[in-house]
Amino acid sequence: DIQMTQSPSTLSASVGDRVSITCRASQDIAIWMAWYQQKPGKAPKVLMYKASALESGVPSRFSGSGSGTEFTLTISSLQPDDFATYYCQQYYSYPRTFGQGTKVEMK
Amino acid sequence: HVQLQESGPGLVKPSGTLSLTCAVSGGSISDTHWWIWVRQSPGKGLEWIGEIYPTGSTNFNPSLKSRAAISADKPNNQFSLKLTSVTAADTAIYYCARSLHPDTAMGPYDYWGQGTLVTVSS
Repeated sequence: DIQMTQSPSTLSASVGDRVSITCRASQDIAIWMAWYQQKPGKAPKVLMYKASALESGVPSRFSGSGSGTEFTLTISSLQPDDFATYYCQQYYSYPRTFGQGTKVEMK
Repeated sequence: HVQLQESGPGLVKPSGTLSLTCAVSGGSISDTHWWIWVRQSPGKGLEWIGEIYPTGSTNFNPSLKSRAAISADKPNNQFSLKLTSVTAADTAIYYCARSLHPDTAMGPYDYWGQGTLVTVSS
């Protein structure tokens, strides 16, 4: 299985901050990476796919980059609605695997 | 607008079989998307269980050691998960979901159910 390792596990930030979350894959997954946002009691919501493609309806303050084994999700200016947990997922090979999550909390 | 809704027992006895159904509305499971099961537990985070395509083709997580089966019920527009020989480690919130892109399993999941908690306990 491909292991997905996110860092940091928790990120404390303020509204307006630029924040970045990193996801490292244990082997090359090209650009076959997605990012999700999850709020308590809710299902994950897809934000990005193919590493840098923004899902329809997702604010443009979200961006993704990377290829191979290292990927980054960036929020250019953190908004109150963005405090949540973020997960990466690879869909390069089976079984699909997720990172352990990064919780973005209010500083 | 596609909606998915999981249903099934919230409590299953150890060594028993977990059975869940995902009802799809606003779309058809005969559409050329993959239909997925994912679970989430505090100890293991998000875990991909498996998926089914309208043709009946399936893929599963080997970690489940062949305990999982996914089937489609086209007349009722729903698909189901069965997980046999359950233990406490199978306690989790179970989600059904749909692949974003038609005709390929290479993609994330855009529509999700709200999730249903299944507890394995005697």
